[in-house]
Amino acid sequence: DQQVKQNSPSLSVQEGRISILNCDYTNSMFDYFLWYKKYPAEGPTFLISISSIKDKNEDGRFTVFLNKSAKHLSLHIVPSQPGDSAVYFCAAPLGRGNMLTFGGGTRLMVKP
Amino acid sequence: SAVISQKPSRDICQRGTSLTIQCQVDSQVTMMFWYRQQPGQSLTLIATANQGSEATYESGFVIDKFPISRPNLTFSTLTVSNMSPEDSSIYLCSVEDLLRGRGGHYGYTFGSGTRLTVV
Repeated sequence: DQQVKQNSPSLSVQEGRISILNCDYTNSMFDYFLWYKKYPAEGPTFLISISSIKDKNEDGRFTVFLNKSAKHLSLHIVPSQPGDSAVYFCAAPLGRGNMLTFGGGTRLMVKP
Repeated sequence: SAVISQKPSRDICQRGTSLTIQCQVDSQVTMMFWYRQQPGQSLTLIATANQGSEATYESGFVIDKFPISRPNLTFSTLTVSNMSPEDSSIYLCSVEDLLRGRGGHYGYTFGSGTRLTVV
């Protein structure tokens, strides 16, 4: 059973506009959530996190929102840039050693 | 954050052969994790490697197919044995790390990945 889900496999946005990537989860016991960005020839890199006791965390152009009642989080990128084109994964710690479980990923394409 | 050197970055291998992937970390870490990303899929945990003990494998992965070594606190290898085209994937090692940025949460820092193609 996939506990973290990203239902949109891809998203296309015009440069300068807002990108919104969504993630749903089923386990209400997650302590925090992470977003990773992955370029094709590289490993995933950490982008931003949010604690389960918060509803918003902001870092520059990136903001993550958490709606615990809906078990939903979203990553907003404003303004979107062509260099943001990548696959974005949401993740949450599960079980021993903070082992992470990942969503399926959303491929973001930002068009110039 | 930890820095991980992973090699090879890519390889094309004949079916039936084996490939060993190496990961070197610039600091001592207790656990190292090996992931697989099949084409168009998410990241799937293969196993957790602790120094001085046998690796712990996730459901669907076995030691005979993916033997792991962890000789010290900074190094690990994953071997993909008796390869078939279904093993074509990106293989990633990672370590638990205190991530930069607000929140100070623990997450994973990843190596750059090994893109394996089996023909």
